[in-house]
Amino acid sequence: DAKTTQPPSMDCAEGRAANLPCNHSTISGNEYVYWYRQIHSQGPQYIIHGLKNNETNEMASLIITEDRKSSTLILPHATLRDTAVYYCIVRLMGSGGSNYKLTFGKGTLLTVNP
Amino acid sequence: DTGVSQDPRHKITKRGQNVTFRCDPISEHNRLYWYRQTLGQGPEFLTYFQNEAQLEKSRLLSDRFSAERPKGSFSTLEIQRTEQGDSAMYLCASSLAGNQQYFGPGTRLTVT
Repeated sequence: DAKTTQPPSMDCAEGRAANLPCNHSTISGNEYVYWYRQIHSQGPQYIIHGLKNNETNEMASLIITEDRKSSTLILPHATLRDTAVYYCIVRLMGSGGSNYKLTFGKGTLLTVNP
Repeated sequence: DTGVSQDPRHKITKRGQNVTFRCDPISEHNRLYWYRQTLGQGPEFLTYFQNEAQLEKSRLLSDRFSAERPKGSFSTLEIQRTEQGDSAMYLCASSLAGNQQYFGPGTRLTVT
């Protein structure tokens, strides 16, 4: 799986948009970008994933650059409960092959301030 | 959907003792994964099952570790002769085939 690079920490004011960047310059054509987050002392929580088109769900939006070498996770209106470590992960999609595991880095600690 | 559950949530044991953790995946999920997370690090893959078959084991999984998933439902992870270095959060996740993985709350192990 391609490696990812994220800033170790970011701050955001409550109610503002949080934009979390991720670099994945070695991503291959059949690899997806996944985002998970982990609130203190809990298991990771799936947020969103995408291949090349921008994606949006009830939690967040994912913007992937045209060359797919980087992406941004956007939390449109951050709340205090969004304080967590956010992990950007690149993995193969599909039922077979080596796509069975998630390779986590250290992620970005997002702190939402009141 | 009741989510992935793990038991116990916390375990304190003395060095040299054996411990066993249980994971109940989301029903109908055929894949089950175990990860380990130490302080300040992201989770690291340990092993995974497709139905009852254990298909992959990480090099992190020493001979003292064993995992089972009888009948392709719940899974257990046993650590024999625990060492202080085994202190970590043990996370279980499940998925339907290669789709997104859903994690449980974890079992925090402290070896004294």
